Amino acid sequence: GDSVTQMEGPVTLSEEAFLTINCTYTATGYPSLFWYVQYPGEGLQLLLKATKADDKGSNKGFEATYRKETTSFHLEKGSVQVSDSAVYFCALSYQGFYGKLTFGQGTILTVHP
Amino acid sequence: NAGVTQTPKFQVLKTGQSMTLQCAQDMNHEYMSWYRQDPGMGLRLIHYSVGAGITDQGEVPNGYNVSRSTTEDFPLRLLSAAPSQTSVYFCASSSSSGGTYEQYFGPGTRLTVT
Repeated sequence: GDSVTQMEGPVTLSEEAFLTINCTYTATGYPSLFWYVQYPGEGLQLLLKATKADDKGSNKGFEATYRKETTSFHLEKGSVQVSDSAVYFCALSYQGFYGKLTFGQGTILTVHP
Repeated sequence: NAGVTQTPKFQVLKTGQSMTLQCAQDMNHEYMSWYRQDPGMGLRLIHYSVGAGITDQGEVPNGYNVSRSTTEDFPLRLLSAAPSQTSVYFCASSSSSGGTYEQYFGPGTRLTVT
């Protein structure tokens, strides 16, 4: 079956540091890939998406590129802010299966001033 | 638009009790889903629906029932609560129009079963 794996453990950074959160996937077909963000006490919000190989999703300074050859969709940001502190989830789904997301385990990001 | 709403926000049950978690959306989305969030495990799909009257099981359906009589509402029923069902529950909705695939999530219900 399909699965999504994110980097282990919480990430702690200082403000203006570079961020990378790794995400790899195993899929039987050609999925669309997503990053969702969950701020404390809230539900999940879509951060960015990519629907086919080599697509780059971007939003709020975050970027991720759909790499079919390495089955990866790593999240990056050049300069993080305290307000970026949240839990980040990588996920996949398929066209036509809009109600079904497969999530990674989530990565807690804490940014200190 | 209110988006996706869930009630209650918090709930404590005793083992064996039953309850219904409510979910409603006002975006006329065809697709609705229930997920549970457990530490270190991300979100896992419980049940989903592709339209009124049509539901299907997700990854972890045991102990939960759903029905969808209207486009707007998708309640999740726990028939006999167990401590293993202690979790945060999220409802989500999405639409096939526009091809965006985005799921919109409610604020969640934190359930504790003692």
